Amino acid sequence: AQKVTQAQTEISVVEKEDVTLDCVYETRDTTYYLFWYKQPPSGELVFLIRRNSFDEQNEISGRYSWNFQKSTSSFNFTITASQVVDSAVYFCALSEPSGGSNYKLTFGKGTLLTVNP
Amino acid sequence: DGGITQSPKYLFRKEGQNVTLSCEQNLNHDAMYWYRQDPGQGLRLIYYSQIVNDFQKGDIAEGYSVSREKKESFPLTVTSAQKNPTAFYLCASTRQGNSWETQYFGPGTRLLVL
Repeated sequence: AQKVTQAQTEISVVEKEDVTLDCVYETRDTTYYLFWYKQPPSGELVFLIRRNSFDEQNEISGRYSWNFQKSTSSFNFTITASQVVDSAVYFCALSEPSGGSNYKLTFGKGTLLTVNP
Repeated sequence: DGGITQSPKYLFRKEGQNVTLSCEQNLNHDAMYWYRQDPGQGLRLIYYSQIVNDFQKGDIAEGYSVSREKKESFPLTVTSAQKNPTAFYLCASTRQGNSWETQYFGPGTRLLVL
């Protein structure tokens, strides 16, 4: 079963539009961590945010905001007033214990965001 | 500047050839990871190492091998047993390998088969 689902494969918007990227996850653990990464065309994954399962406060960082809702197992990412430089693939990821001191980071398949001028 | 470097940026492999991808970090991190990314897919874990001289298989270890002789270095060898090696390979590291830690990534190596 897919543990991290990013249902939107591709999104295309015009500059200055707001856009929300969806992430739904599945876990049986009560303690887990959620991440968002940005992958620009250069390929390197850039860390954006980490959220633990006990902190449901929404977070805002400049034009970026995140909405974490445990009731719906979702961790959505909104970009306000999008810019061309926001064009990238965005990944949501779930970190949960996998036994002993090990853990597993599971990635969604990513959403390709294209912001057109 | 602290960070993770991967080389080469592009690598070409001939049939039956083993190739080695380099990953070096100067972040003083204990744990390192190798991922494979295929077009339109998320990242899949190949191998990880939480400490020098120890490493564990990830979800898709078949056809790959690693070593961890130094804390800073975690090279990945793609062997001839890996029948479909064309992909983008990403190396990552964390301070101690705990579930709450953020993984930081290198720039990646694109492997192509001739």
